[in-house]
Amino acid sequence: DTEVTQTPKHLVMGMTNKKSLKCEQHMGHRAMYWYKQKAKKPPELMFVYSYEKLSINESVPSRFSPECPNSSLLNLHLHALQPEDSALYLCASSRRGASGGETQYFGPGTRLLVL
Amino acid sequence: GENVEQHPSTLSVQEGDSAVIKCTYSDSASNYFPWYKQELGKRPQLIIDIRSNVGEKKDQRIAVTLNKTAKHFSLHITETQPEDSAVYFCAARFLQGGSEKLVFGKGTKLTVNP
Repeated sequence: DTEVTQTPKHLVMGMTNKKSLKCEQHMGHRAMYWYKQKAKKPPELMFVYSYEKLSINESVPSRFSPECPNSSLLNLHLHALQPEDSALYLCASSRRGASGGETQYFGPGTRLLVL
Repeated sequence: GENVEQHPSTLSVQEGDSAVIKCTYSDSASNYFPWYKQELGKRPQLIIDIRSNVGEKKDQRIAVTLNKTAKHFSLHITETQPEDSAVYFCAARFLQGGSEKLVFGKGTKLTVNP
């Protein structure tokens, strides 16, 4: 399996809802990433997990809460989001977290709309 | 700080022509530079990457060159085809707190006209 999968593909939520995004990979990668991408903009890093530990938090608001239950899974818990949080949320993985540069493979993303 | 500049923001070429996209990066310690292609509504897909121990890498119609002294790298696409139309992002690897992160350029929208 050489893919990163993400569920759901689309999500519509109200500002008072709680939802979760899920990312999975079975390539044995030990680094996983969450990115946010707005239309016509580059992916913007949110979080990095390396060997299941949070290693980078790019000053993301606490209404976004990441979780890495095991080496294959990465979740992003959402609570009390704002309309400006509407975006494509991309997950990525790479073999290792800190080395000579490892290829990051992206999932298809979850398109989130906050009403 | 961590910064990747990418030019041009849009590029329109005729089918069969070459396309060149240029990026500069801020940290001389960066040593990995991938290029991603993103079609509308799809995920970014790696098309080629280069590490700092080489100056050029080719894969069929795509090549990347790296000038570490100038902190500059470029994507070259030859014999462009309509299916090359997409947004292309360059990126550079930065180290932060013992972990690595990619910082992306703002992207180049390439249109190949038949």
